[in-house]
Amino acid sequence: AQSVTQLDSHVSVSEGTPVLLRCNYSSSYSPSLFWYVQHPNKGLQLLLKYTSAATLVKGINGFEAEFKKSETSFHLTKPSAHMSDAAEYFCVVSDRRSFGNEKLTFGTGTRLTIIP
Amino acid sequence: DAGVTQSPTHLIKTRGQQVTLRCSPKSGHDTVSWYQQALGQGPQFIFQYYEEEERQRGNFPDRFSGHQFPNYSSELNVNALLLGDSALYLCASSTPAGGETQYFGPGTRLLVL
Repeated sequence: AQSVTQLDSHVSVSEGTPVLLRCNYSSSYSPSLFWYVQHPNKGLQLLLKYTSAATLVKGINGFEAEFKKSETSFHLTKPSAHMSDAAEYFCVVSDRRSFGNEKLTFGTGTRLTIIP
Repeated sequence: DAGVTQSPTHLIKTRGQQVTLRCSPKSGHDTVSWYQQALGQGPQFIFQYYEEEERQRGNFPDRFSGHQFPNYSSELNVNALLLGDSALYLCASSTPAGGETQYFGPGTRLLVL
């Protein structure tokens, strides 16, 4: 079984300061990991994905995440927060056990608030 | 290039009724997955369709059923609606070549009274 745990339900940072959203995963197989963002009343947008290539993954809008197998973590970071980053962020794992049968398992989400 | 589209955007039903939600995948995508997102929670996988067949299913009762058409569009049907079925229903599309990367539509918000 696969699962993800988002360690913070709510994170507040000041504009221009670094962002850290924490995620731990559990998977019986070599996982693929994703971060999605959801702005109010909008669908989910893919920020970045890890699929066993480079462990440091760069995404859109200046976000990046590092896959650490020893810590089973996939934390999302951004050097400098912008007001437009305020949204709900989801860490997601996919079981790569069988090609063509991937389902996504979502964490409970982290709400990011940016303080002006 | 149109992304994933869903209809309707909002829907209000009463307990016991039936509802059908529709999804058109992103151009070039042939796999459609459905998710339920209750208020304040992460999306939960309902099922996935490929080649007009249900390929994988999450932990949802048989009241939830689906269909995929030859043009790859899909429907989600929910029978005997319960208050707890109130949620945002998300459709995502993908391709076998794209692996697990799924692209989401804006969702249909269902309210059951």
